[in-house]
Amino acid sequence: ETGVTQTPRHLVMGMTNKKSLKCEQHLGHNAMYWYKQSAKKPLELMFVYSLEERVENNSVPSRFSPECPNSSHLFLHLHTLQPEDSALYLCASSLGTLRDTQYFGPGTRLTVL
Amino acid sequence: GENVEQHPSTLSVQEGDSAVIKCTYSDSASNYFPWYKQELGKGPQLIIDIRSNVGEKKDQRIAVTLNKTAKHFSLHITETQPEDSAVYFCAASSSGYSTLTFGKGTMLLVSP
Repeated sequence: ETGVTQTPRHLVMGMTNKKSLKCEQHLGHNAMYWYKQSAKKPLELMFVYSLEERVENNSVPSRFSPECPNSSHLFLHLHTLQPEDSALYLCASSLGTLRDTQYFGPGTRLTVL
Repeated sequence: GENVEQHPSTLSVQEGDSAVIKCTYSDSASNYFPWYKQELGKGPQLIIDIRSNVGEKKDQRIAVTLNKTAKHFSLHITETQPEDSAVYFCAASSSGYSTLTFGKGTMLLVSP
């Protein structure tokens, strides 16, 4: 175990649903990340939070909305998703941000019908 | 921004053979290069990393080499075992605030 947990592990949702993904890290880290992993594509960084402040947002559609209430928890709120949003969503954390080792959670497998 | 190319996309070896995975990067300012292993149903796990002030680093059966002039780095696994079968990702640190740019991954299959 890496010290980063994600729930749920699997999620199936319709395009009109609203759901949230949760990530929690037990490592005392200050930075947290959301990545999207699609088949045969590199990991795509979606959001970066450092000390609960969003510091990077890589042109992600507004149907994805992150929330970081404290340095141990990170959420990804989902609404009106598209089938092409189906992917593995990975959370990671690092001690700081610049060039620090990132530790990943097991991911949430999302299927949008 | 940074661009990372990784080859091959699939690599099949016999148990006991060596495996080599190669990556190239574009941003000459990058100076941190981790390698991750991802097993089925799990998130990527760091297996080794190297910073640009060294040319090679070893950890038991795993080694990473870095050529800053050519902007490429490689993962070497010796005496491969079936449990080494997984997808391996290279990454390079981007300039700026935070991030890693990942390669597309290499699926390594080690046959008994």
